[in-house]
Amino acid sequence: SYELTQPPSVSVSPGQTARITCSADALPKQYAYWYQQKPGQAPVLVIYKDSERPSGIPERFSGSSSGTTVTLTISGVQAEDEADYYCQSADSSGTYPVFGGGTKLTVL
Amino acid sequence: EVQLVESGGGLVQPGGSLRLSCAASGFTFSSYWMSWVRQAPGKGLEWVANIKQDGSEKYYVDSVKGRFTISRDNAKNSLYLQMNSLRAEDTAVYYCARVGYYYDSPYFDYWGQGTLVTVSS
Repeated sequence: SYELTQPPSVSVSPGQTARITCSADALPKQYAYWYQQKPGQAPVLVIYKDSERPSGIPERFSGSSSGTTVTLTISGVQAEDEADYYCQSADSSGTYPVFGGGTKLTVL
Repeated sequence: EVQLVESGGGLVQPGGSLRLSCAASGFTFSSYWMSWVRQAPGKGLEWVANIKQDGSEKYYVDSVKGRFTISRDNAKNSLYLQMNSLRAEDTAVYYCARVGYYYDSPYFDYWGQGTLVTVSS
């Protein structure tokens, strides 16, 4: 089965840059998506199609892709960015979505 | 404004059944694939099931195949998840989500607030 691997946790100080990676053992040429989830809330899409930002998402959120790894970058991290972040992709047919295990971002 | 509102969660005994509902508004429901995604307490997100716009195609994660059934009623702008033979490991918050596609690449652009299902004796 297809799996996406994320680091369990990332910590940064306010104003610094946070990078959260998501790697696949075999990338089936599917786009990657990123979601932010704060405690007690539903996930929110923050990056789509590897690097696009939905309307309403701050410019400090960006995404990139290289080989079998995609990266969510948050520049100038703010306290409100503390949350769990999940990457998501799918199998090669696009039938079965898959989530990474999630990364807890802590703002020190 | 897109809104997805889940209902039907609760406490059920192992082996029991439950039917979740999701009321959609603010978009043309019949034009979108829809999904259920769940999250066990303190755990990550897990996709559960997908259904095509007209209900003609349905897909499930292996762990629920044969026990859960996704369905929809486009006339009522509603999505459903019939859950049978429930197990303790099905305990989770269940989210209804709208599915977007870029070519063959699915993603979830809108989510409901979720409904909690607890399977316990």
